Amino acid sequence: NAGVTQTPKFQVLKTGQSMTLQCAQDMNHNSMYWYRQDPGMGLRLIYYSASEGTTDKGEVPNGYNVSRLNKREFSLRLESAAPSQTSVYFCASVPQAQGRVGYTFGSGTRLTVV
Amino acid sequence: GNSVTQMEGPVTLSEEAFLTINCTYTATGYPSLFWYVQYPGEGLQLLLKATKADDKGSNKGFEATYRKETTSFHLEKGSVQVSDSAVYFCALSVPGNQFYFGTGTSLTVIP
Repeated sequence: NAGVTQTPKFQVLKTGQSMTLQCAQDMNHNSMYWYRQDPGMGLRLIYYSASEGTTDKGEVPNGYNVSRLNKREFSLRLESAAPSQTSVYFCASVPQAQGRVGYTFGSGTRLTVV
Repeated sequence: GNSVTQMEGPVTLSEEAFLTINCTYTATGYPSLFWYVQYPGEGLQLLLKATKADDKGSNKGFEATYRKETTSFHLEKGSVQVSDSAVYFCALSVPGNQFYFGTGTSLTVIP
């Protein structure tokens, strides 16, 4: 089915370990986003890519890096995981950052850092 | 700046009760407004949207009207079902910019 695919679905890391969260969409969307969801705080934007070849910081970029590998794929990397990065991470895409079409979200990656 | 404020939860209703979840916004320019729903263990799904003042978005019995004069986009449903139990997010976007989400309202419908 067309949509946004995130891997892995679950992950447990030790403090200081690194990992990359993968996101791919098959809808030919230009813009892609990474959010984290924490209880009582809603969704907060980490990084986004308005189009292939560009990336920009969102509200909470510290401790993360991103790569827009091609039009389909947008990965999120934690270089040295910290317990404060325990969260649910969502990737989303939209045809372009025009504001009138809703995002399509992936099903999320549940990350625990111990 | 841009922001969304929605009513605190959790909300618990009996089946067939009337639902209102309040949402107000602050935005520069002319935003589009959205309601998303998140079922347990899943990602967010677009429920409905409205792109200009006085538009009404509707889907699955839910509806919301874009009220520019009160900067509001309240979600309503006349008769909720157990299957409507989820977390509901109000969101806005301004052309050329990212989305801004509210903190979410958890709804539980009991038989």
